[in-house]
Amino acid sequence: QKEVEQDPGPLSVPEGAIVSLNCTYSNSAFQYFMWYRQYSRKGPELLMYTYSSGNKEDGRFTAQVDKSSKYISLFIRDSQPSDSATYLCARGVSTDTGTASKLTFGTGTRLQVTL
Amino acid sequence: DAGVIQSPRHEVTEMGQEVTLRCKPISGHNSLFWYRQTMMRGLELLIYFNNNVPIDDSGMPEDRFSAKMPNASFSTLKIQPSEPRDSAVYFCASSFSGSNNQPQHFGDGTRLSIL
Repeated sequence: QKEVEQDPGPLSVPEGAIVSLNCTYSNSAFQYFMWYRQYSRKGPELLMYTYSSGNKEDGRFTAQVDKSSKYISLFIRDSQPSDSATYLCARGVSTDTGTASKLTFGTGTRLQVTL
Repeated sequence: DAGVIQSPRHEVTEMGQEVTLRCKPISGHNSLFWYRQTMMRGLELLIYFNNNVPIDDSGMPEDRFSAKMPNASFSTLKIQPSEPRDSAVYFCASSFSGSNNQPQHFGDGTRLSIL
């Protein structure tokens, strides 16, 4: 079993729809979670990150973490064609001050928002 | 601000040749990560450095792969000899590891094709 599972899609939705992207993880030690967006032939760019369970909102994007069920979600409201990209979830373990920690990524979900 | 800079953007070479990929992290960042991305396996961490010191190279697939970070502003990933199965997109990312775990910022990658 992979440490982070993510449906690869592709997921196709009409413009204006609410999009739900989901990941599950298997290691309870993971303490923080991130969502990255990757456009074609570009590097991943950070969208949101959270340390705790519950919701975190940023504009049209909401990240949701449920540590009891090891489930993380990203919701996109009023989706736009410019949201068409691959969305990667990632999780990591907090470390002592000054030490980098590893992120483990899901394989990504490809999203297509159509006009 | 300049982001993470990788070179070359594309590399096509024949099997058996030495390949060197280069990365300049964001100024002030003290952690650097090398990843490989393929359709089948997604984004995989190869190695990461903290304050120019390799911390974890468990993701390096074989002895043919090596990475160095001679100073805070430069890192290389070398493959010698290269094989067709090394074909992938290689990403470099950097972050600042201080009192809180800061997100990783990615370059736009090097697309490597081994013929």
